[in-house]
Amino acid sequence: DTGVSQDPRHKITKRGQNVTFRCDPISEHNRLYWYRQTLGQGPEFLTYFQNEAQLEKSRLLSDRFSAERPKGSFSTLEIQRTEQGDSAMYLCASSLGDSYNEQFFGPGTRLTVL
Amino acid sequence: DAKTTQPNSMESNEEEPVHLPCNHSTISGTDYIHWYRQLPSQGPEYVIHGLTSNVNNRMASLAIAEDRKSSTLILHRATLRDAAVYYCILGSGGSNYKLTFGKGTLLTVNP
Repeated sequence: DTGVSQDPRHKITKRGQNVTFRCDPISEHNRLYWYRQTLGQGPEFLTYFQNEAQLEKSRLLSDRFSAERPKGSFSTLEIQRTEQGDSAMYLCASSLGDSYNEQFFGPGTRLTVL
Repeated sequence: DAKTTQPNSMESNEEEPVHLPCNHSTISGTDYIHWYRQLPSQGPEYVIHGLTSNVNNRMASLAIAEDRKSSTLILHRATLRDAAVYYCILGSGGSNYKLTFGKGTLLTVNP
């Protein structure tokens, strides 16, 4: 399967712990996006990369959140000192090119903070 | 970002056409109209997008009003696999192409 993959698919952690999620986009895609989705809501944009450069961050992305895409391929999203409000599905998407192209989403990582 | 308004839910019967409406009265001249859908326990998937003219692809058709203040996603023959949340999203021609999702329309397909 050459789609977007995310790891882990599920993560349960205790409040205050750090967690890191990984996203592997479709190999030739230069754009990578992170979204967060809570129950009953549509996904909310968090941040996006073009190649290795992080070009936009949402105000939703507090100082506890950091994202990287070190070689313009896979990306990681780290949440430090998790809070119960961080419980959500974290979705990664990728797309190709410099103009609009459809975004391909991964299956998401479901985070539960106890 | 310009807003869209969609019904919270709609119901259809299998093998019948489905028309999913979306209002976007504040759309700007450069906004594209995108449709994505999200099947249960999956990430969203692209359905179709357009600017001014009606569009067709293998999944659906997009009918855009002449004044562009509304659009309709048409599924020609609904199947049980089409049961999903359908999102109508406006995206500008800017450089980032982030998607601003609303709550979407939950489509139920009855056998």
